Amino acid sequence: DAGVIQSPRHEVTEMGQEVTLRCKPISGHNSLFWYRQTMMRGLELLIYFNNNVPIDDSGMPEDRFSAKMPNASFSTLKIQPSEPRDSAVYFCASSLAAGFGYTFGSGTRLTVV
Amino acid sequence: TQLLEQSPQFLSIQEGENLTVYCNSSSVFSSLQWYRQEPGEGPVLLVTVVTGGEVKKLKRLTFQFGDARKDSSLHITAAQPGDTGLYLCAGEGYSTLTFGKGTMLLVSP
Repeated sequence: DAGVIQSPRHEVTEMGQEVTLRCKPISGHNSLFWYRQTMMRGLELLIYFNNNVPIDDSGMPEDRFSAKMPNASFSTLKIQPSEPRDSAVYFCASSLAAGFGYTFGSGTRLTVV
Repeated sequence: TQLLEQSPQFLSIQEGENLTVYCNSSSVFSSLQWYRQEPGEGPVLLVTVVTGGEVKKLKRLTFQFGDARKDSSLHITAAQPGDTGLYLCAGEGYSTLTFGKGTMLLVSP
């Protein structure tokens, strides 16, 4: 298995633009997570899907952030409009089920200028 | 909110030294996981501990879960440059993981 695949690896965009991050989880994993990592705050959970259904989105910073999982093999995290404070590394992770370890993708480094 | 405090935040040692890093919380977790993250990559799972007092060994790494399932430690024997990385602990609660901010370990040859 190729693991969790995220794209793009790097994204530089101007303030106000829409940004879409993509994730392909490991086949057979029922849970998918989006995390954001910064030096100041570490890894923060943004949203969690189970069997393609959003279960907990309490970590989504504000309405500018949205996430979808239209099927078991694809998820997106969208920021519209983007702001400089959104600059961070965004990770997608998948897990077989609750209680199992997570497999993380390599992340998307987002820079908003 | 369940918080995990990791210490030290940064550790720089010479090859061959031993070290211990800590992960503490006021909350009880159903399990605790340790990950290592290298620059430009996502965290990689090292171990999961579930039972209070549990000790797990992974080659030169020894992981211990506190009796009350609130804290954990990671001990590395004879550290090598390949051990360099960010060590993260994560507590499981409500089907998701809460991560500490990590200990950045640098092992010099």
